[in-house]
Amino acid sequence: GQQLNQSPQSMFIQEGEDVSMNCTSSSIFNTWLWYKQDPGEGPVLLIALYKAGELTSNGRLTAQFGITRKDSFLNISASIPSDVGIYFCAGRQTDSWGKLQFGAGTQVVVTP
Amino acid sequence: GAVVSQHPSWVICKSGTSVKIECRSLDFQATTMFWYRQFPKQSLMLMATSNEGSKATYEQGVEKDKFLINHASLTLSTLTVTSAHPEDSSFYICSARGGGGPLNEQFFGPGTRLTVL
Repeated sequence: GQQLNQSPQSMFIQEGEDVSMNCTSSSIFNTWLWYKQDPGEGPVLLIALYKAGELTSNGRLTAQFGITRKDSFLNISASIPSDVGIYFCAGRQTDSWGKLQFGAGTQVVVTP
Repeated sequence: GAVVSQHPSWVICKSGTSVKIECRSLDFQATTMFWYRQFPKQSLMLMATSNEGSKATYEQGVEKDKFLINHASLTLSTLTVTSAHPEDSSFYICSARGGGGPLNEQFFGPGTRLTVL
């Protein structure tokens, strides 16, 4: 299916640095989600966003639902080694039977 | 809350055999379950959507006779890969979605690694 445009594809950062990634689309979404996937595991839901302009935090993670409803970003502050993994954005449109469209993922590598 | 399990976590089978993968929502009732396939270093590819008690809806290009999905109860869905071939080797992940509130999102199982020899 159609994928969201997620960037960057990968990030190599030092422990303690902040991380930002974003997702864009040409279509409007009514829900944006951010998941994290560790190797060999299923994705884990980090943050869910439901309103344009909404800013939501989960610990060191902060995500925003873009005003245009066509984009979202995720920020990780003060990264630690366990932040390593692949982060996926996902969007849901109205009347989509709950189906999600996924971004290609952002690989985050944290070095000490 | 919102725990989803899959069994088995990995399976190796011979070409031509069938393999069944179970997906269970452990602490909530899942009105809808989804099955995904994921290749290395790629995103999740939706295969089908199933609602309890009704036939699954398959995505374009997914063979429904090859990937049989049964959603027999509000906590269990199964994916059977029939007459598996090496090209079916992949990581299969299910997700479950509850009826409302914080359970209204997709919660994923840990995945099943299928290797067909």
